[in-house]
Amino acid sequence: DVKVTQSSRYLVKRTGEKVFLECVQDMDHENMFWYRQDPGLGLRLIYFSYDVKMKEKGDIPEGYSVSREKKERFSLILESASTNQTSMYLCASSSRDLYPYEQYFGPGTRLTVT
Amino acid sequence: GEDVEQSLFLSVREGDSSVINCTYTDSSSTYLYWYKQEPGAGLQLLTYIFSNMDMKQDQRLTVLLNKKDKHLSLRIADTQTGDSAIYFCAESTLFTSGTYKYIFGTGTRLKVLA
Repeated sequence: DVKVTQSSRYLVKRTGEKVFLECVQDMDHENMFWYRQDPGLGLRLIYFSYDVKMKEKGDIPEGYSVSREKKERFSLILESASTNQTSMYLCASSSRDLYPYEQYFGPGTRLTVT
Repeated sequence: GEDVEQSLFLSVREGDSSVINCTYTDSSSTYLYWYKQEPGAGLQLLTYIFSNMDMKQDQRLTVLLNKKDKHLSLRIADTQTGDSAIYFCAESTLFTSGTYKYIFGTGTRLKVLA
């Protein structure tokens, strides 16, 4: 079974703190993604990576950065957390070659910034 | 621009059929997906349809695709209380890096009444 794990289920941070969210997948997938999920807005893509050290901006990259030093691990960094970054963060991975290119999701991290 | 729209809520009685609708904008989408999100969990692929198909049936699930109107629907027959969840429609398009990028809808929260 494909497994995508996220470092924390719940996280509470203060405004201005640097926050690291980590995601690990065990299926040797090339592609990894970070989304945020907000009620009424669905999933919005923050960043994705198609290979080690390679990244592309998604639709809402402002205030975030990412790091992919190893194929199985993709980190999302909030350089200086703000209250408007309170949200559910979902990590996903997918194979570049395997039809139908479905995404496998982690359970999510609910981040609260106070 | 790219956009995927869904109604936010749907309520049905146990045993009835549920129909969840979605409209998308990118006519070059290769695959269209339905994902299910149960409370406190990440998304899981429920079913998908290739863009050259009109219909796909999978046990209690029927997916209809109208490419002319860019309309996708998911019908769940004999809806059960365990079907209560958020359902996301998603389209995949090829990104500049050669990776498939996914656009998710806002999600439809299905509530099944006993």
